[in-house]
Amino acid sequence: GESVGLHLPTLSVQEGDNSIINCAYSNSASDYFIWYKQESGKGPQFIIDIRSNMDKRQGQRVTVLLNKTVKHLSLQIAATQPGDSAVYFCAEILWSSASKIIFGSGTRLSIRP
Amino acid sequence: NAGVMQNPRHLVRRRGQEARLRCSPMKGHSHVYWYRQLPEEGLKFMVYLQKENIIDESGMPKERFSAEFPKEGPSILRIQQVVRGDSAAYFCASSRRESDTGELFFGEGSRLTVL
Repeated sequence: GESVGLHLPTLSVQEGDNSIINCAYSNSASDYFIWYKQESGKGPQFIIDIRSNMDKRQGQRVTVLLNKTVKHLSLQIAATQPGDSAVYFCAEILWSSASKIIFGSGTRLSIRP
Repeated sequence: NAGVMQNPRHLVRRRGQEARLRCSPMKGHSHVYWYRQLPEEGLKFMVYLQKENIIDESGMPKERFSAEFPKEGPSILRIQQVVRGDSAAYFCASSRRESDTGELFFGEGSRLTVL
């Protein structure tokens, strides 16, 4: 279903360490998943996507893992930098039901110097 | 190639007034989506439009809210008789075609404050 309004959980990470942001999605039939990054005062920005027939996909410094058994998605950011500070949202799409993207509730990533 | 353009970026209205938010999609994009975001929350889908057609408005409140995407000009999200609970950031996104929804490009949002 739709995301429920909650105060954002925060993940605090030391600069240079790896970050792992987790997300539980709602619909086991979802075909496609995306991670978005939203900086303060800006719109969401596409980071990486993964189809439901995959369990891992890598980009530049980012890796997305999909576990369909437990409906879990994670985003791993290697060597976290200050510019990675933002709110990260996972999102799911079910092609057959609509063309809308359903966003998760988000995680705020905070970088310690 | 300009991105998705939204205006105004900030809008202040008194209760009972009307708010009009505009969205110009990226060049070549004919699909527009509107999302609403409350502080410290995720984005909630409102409506999906193609040129001159509303495809999915399942996220739109039944009253006071309407959206259009005319053949010429920007998409407009209209909120009549605004109430304090309408205060939020409203984001528009566009894509070329339905299967590109993973490649939605978002605007910077319009922040509505209702006094």
